[in-house]
This record gives sequence, structure tokens and C-alpha cells, in this order.
Amino acid sequence: KNQVEQSPQSLIILEGKNCTLQCNYTVSPFSNLRWYKQDTGRGPVSLTIMTFSENTKSNGRYTATLDADTKQSSLHITASQLSDSASYICVVSRNNYGQNFVFGPGTRLSVLP
Amino acid sequence: EPEVTQTPSHQVTQMGQEVILRCVPISNHLYFYWYRQILGQKVEFLVSFYNNEISEKSEIFDDQFSVERPDGSNFTLKIRSTKLEDSAMYFCASSERYGGNYEQYFGPGTRLTVT
Repeated sequence: KNQVEQSPQSLIILEGKNCTLQCNYTVSPFSNLRWYKQDTGRGPVSLTIMTFSENTKSNGRYTATLDADTKQSSLHITASQLSDSASYICVVSRNNYGQNFVFGPGTRLSVLP
Repeated sequence: EPEVTQTPSHQVTQMGQEVILRCVPISNHLYFYWYRQILGQKVEFLVSFYNNEISEKSEIFDDQFSVERPDGSNFTLKIRSTKLEDSAMYFCASSERYGGNYEQYFGPGTRLTVT
């Protein structure tokens, strides 16, 4: 079954600290993996997109890694800010055209002052 | 910065009624998508649309759903006979090109409540 799992379900950190979110997937065939940030009541916003051949990609304080062999990805957030409080969603596309997406349940991150 | 817009922001309807959710994608984008998110659950892909045709659809997108691009700017999702379980946030998205490496830009969503 095509699934995307994320851990932890929720995370609380202090402002300025780093954190790492995990994503495991069983989606096949694999086209690409995306990380999105979703603020409460808003649409997801893309952070990174990685294809099979890429194993790391950065976007400012966000760095995503991908291990296509073990079907794992991580999102590392450096020097967290209060505005990083949101849900972070891992999404895997399951065909060569990348238009049929399987979403993970998200990790709810709370950054406290 | 261009953005995807959706109307209405909140729609309340009675079970069995038809609803149309509207989206205005980013103007130079050619590919359009609908997703839904039931409260507390993950986002689910519904359908992708290009050149006035459905490109791909999920198992959720059954005969009660339809999509249309009635003019050069709007992209709509119609639910013919709403059920209680259709209550969810519906997100429209658009992308410039077709293919896995192109970003999808999401709208703010329409919250549909079926009573």
C-alpha cells in the first residue's frame, strides 16, 4: 500500500534550537519527494522538492535529505523561529509525471519563546 | 507576488445539495489541482487538470465530483449531491509546468461544511 509516515507526530522546541523531522515512505513508483509547511487554516507552502538522484536540498534554514534506498527523508530546521510553528508535511509523488501525490500526516511543530 | 485565490472561504450546505467551489489559479500556470483535507486528517489528492481535461484522479474523485475551467481564469470543483463526509477543507493548487520538479502553489482553501 502506498503510504507516507512521519515522526514525531508533534514536537515542541525553544526558539533558536534546531530540530529534525522524519519521513518514511512505501510509495512506488517514486518520482519525487516534497516537504511542505502548512500554517493552521492555510494551504501548504512548498519548502523543497527532491528527485530520486538528489540526496540533499536546502532552502534557507530548511535542509531536506533523501535516502531513496531506505525510502527515508528528513527535514532539518536550523535556528528555529516562532514563525516556524506549523505543520510540516512530507509528500511523495507516485508516478513519472509526479501528479498523483501521497501526503503524510504531518508533524506539528511548536516553537516557544 | 501572484497567488492562487479561492472562493468562498467557507461554504455551508445541506446534505444532498450541489456545491461549486471556485479557484483562480496563477495566471501563467497551465496545470491545476484539487485536494481535500478532512479536519485533523492528512491532505488527499483529488484530481489534476490540464488543457481542459482531467490528467489524473484519485479513488476519492468519484462520479459525484467534476471539474471545469469555464473561462480563462476560473477553475471549479463541483460536488453534485453532498454528503456529510464531504465536510472538509478543499484546496486548489496550480503549477507552471507538468512534472515532478515543478512547484505547486496552493490557495488558502474553502472550508465546506455539510449539515
